[in-house]
Amino acid sequence: DAKTTQPTSMDCAEGRAANLPCNHSTISGNEYVYWYRQIHSQGPQYIIHGLKNNETNEMASLIITEDRKSSTLILPHATLRDTAVYYCIVRVKGAQKLVFGQGTRLTINP
Amino acid sequence: ETGVTQSPTHLIKTRGQQVTLRCSSQSGHNTVSWYQQALGQGPQFIFQYYREEENGRGNFPPRFSGLQFPNYSSELNVNALELDDSALYLCASSLDGLAVTTQYFGPGTRLLVL
Repeated sequence: DAKTTQPTSMDCAEGRAANLPCNHSTISGNEYVYWYRQIHSQGPQYIIHGLKNNETNEMASLIITEDRKSSTLILPHATLRDTAVYYCIVRVKGAQKLVFGQGTRLTINP
Repeated sequence: ETGVTQSPTHLIKTRGQQVTLRCSSQSGHNTVSWYQQALGQGPQFIFQYYREEENGRGNFPPRFSGLQFPNYSSELNVNALELDDSALYLCASSLDGLAVTTQYFGPGTRLLVL
């Protein structure tokens, strides 16, 4: 699985959009980009995934660059409950495991 | 739809003992994966079970073993516990056999080895 690079930590004001970047410059054509988040001491929560097109669901939007070497997770109107560690994971189709890095610790400030 | 559940929520054991952790998969899911998360680290893949067979294993010693039952629930067994086994143990279920499978995690079992 391709390696991902994320900032260690980020801050965002409540009500603003939180934009979390992820670099995956060695991604290959059959690898998907997944995002999970983990609120303190809970299990990781699935947010969204995509291959090459931008994706949106009720939680977030995923923007993948045309060359697929990076992506951005967007939480459109961040709330205090969005404070969590966010993991960007690249996973080949059919792979058994998710490979977690250190993630980005996002803090939403009132 | 019932989500992934795990039991117990917390557990304290002493070094050398054995422990069994349990996981009930989300309704309709046929695959369970187990992860270990040490404090301050991301989860690490232990192994996966698909249709009652081990279907991939991470870099964990044989004293970590598992089972999957016909109803797709699963157990993680750890023998000869060591202090470093203290961690949050997570299971995730998915419906494999599709083109893309998403793993959904349970709340975890926090194990403390003294």
